[in-house]
Amino acid sequence: ETGVTQTPRHLVMGMTNKKSLKCEQHLGHNAMYWYKQSAKKPLELMFVYNFKEQTENNSVPSRFSPECPNSSHLFLHLHTLQPEDSALYLCASSQDSEGYTFGSGTRLTVV
Amino acid sequence: GENVEQHPSTLSVQEGDSAVIKCTYSDSASNYFPWYKQELGKGPQLIIDIRSNVGEKKDQRIAVTLNKTAKHFSLHITETQPEDSAVYFCAARGEGSYIPTFGRGTSLIVHP
Repeated sequence: ETGVTQTPRHLVMGMTNKKSLKCEQHLGHNAMYWYKQSAKKPLELMFVYNFKEQTENNSVPSRFSPECPNSSHLFLHLHTLQPEDSALYLCASSQDSEGYTFGSGTRLTVV
Repeated sequence: GENVEQHPSTLSVQEGDSAVIKCTYSDSASNYFPWYKQELGKGPQLIIDIRSNVGEKKDQRIAVTLNKTAKHFSLHITETQPEDSAVYFCAARGEGSYIPTFGRGTSLIVHP
């Protein structure tokens, strides 16, 4: 365990479903992130929360909706996804701008 | 914005050999350079980092070197072992920024 826990580890959902990914960090960090990792592509930043305020939204489609209720928890709400959204979704945390601690990710398959 | 190039994309070595992965960056203001290791089924893990006021840093079998003038930095792994097999990512980040720019990754395969 890295101190960043993501659930579920695997998720299969239909294009009309609504689901949520959860991330929890036990490190006392003040920034949390969502990244998308697809095969043959670099890591793609989706959202950044710094002190619970969203500070970055990297042109992510509105079918992805983040929520950060407190500095330890981060959610990614999913609805009406497309097959090309299938990927590994990684959560990370950091203290200020230091190196990231990543979770193990959620492997999402959209059918 | 910052652009990070990483080479090679795949590196195959025999156990006991050394492995070197190289990255170049474009923004001379970048001052923090972390390296991550991602094993199968896991998220990336920070293994070593270097700041722009240092030219080299070592941690047991791994070392990172930084050449600010040429804007490149490298990861060196000596005496490679099969458990070093993973994908390695470099990154570069500017001062005060929360957001690093990642390289595309190098798949390192260590043959027993």
